[in-house]
Amino acid sequence: SAVISQKPSRDICQRGTSLTIQCQVDSQVTMMFWYRQQPGQSLTLIATANQGSEATYESGFVIDKFPISRPNLTFSTLTVSNMSPEDSSIYLCSVEDQSRESYEQYFGPGTRLTVT
Amino acid sequence: QKEVEQNSGPLSVPEGAIASLNCTYSDRGSQSFFWYRQYSGKSPELIMSIYSNGDKEDGRFTAQLNKASQYVSLLIRDSQPSDSATYLCAVQRETSGSRLTFGEGTQLTVNP
Repeated sequence: SAVISQKPSRDICQRGTSLTIQCQVDSQVTMMFWYRQQPGQSLTLIATANQGSEATYESGFVIDKFPISRPNLTFSTLTVSNMSPEDSSIYLCSVEDQSRESYEQYFGPGTRLTVT
Repeated sequence: QKEVEQNSGPLSVPEGAIASLNCTYSDRGSQSFFWYRQYSGKSPELIMSIYSNGDKEDGRFTAQLNKASQYVSLLIRDSQPSDSATYLCAVQRETSGSRLTFGEGTQLTVNP
């Protein structure tokens, strides 16, 4: 499976500021996804990012709050804008493995964000 | 009704026993089913995928799928303390490019 890295691994930010999270993959992938995992909870999809098109956001998530870039087939960024303590979560990118027909999704190590 | 429901935990089994993790889903259009393992402070790791009714075995792990009953399970044979983690069931409606819907997870503890 693809090797996925994320930067930063963790950060502590003040409310009202923004943080951009980077996701780098060691191979070209069409589908990339951004998930959020709030403390003690399961994963929720924020948006799907395809190269060359606008990101598709899930219900409850908007572009102004979580702008996403996908400049090429190995890289994506997620920005958490105008942060509040409720944004404290782990943010995970995942990629779809298209080397086989199974389309399995694999996750990066995550970015642990704390907003004070 | 939650889209994906997992048996409430935490689940505790002795070392060497079989751990049984269960998951039900509400969307009959679901086609792909996954089990992820998540250690504390780590990201989810894919351990099993299953697409057709029946059993799929991989080492000590067996996934079972029954689409008519909208039920998927994971059996862990010869459980080891290193299996102690939260197990997440995930369901996907289509085979490509669609979101994973996760259950809340079941925390498993294997006691030496």
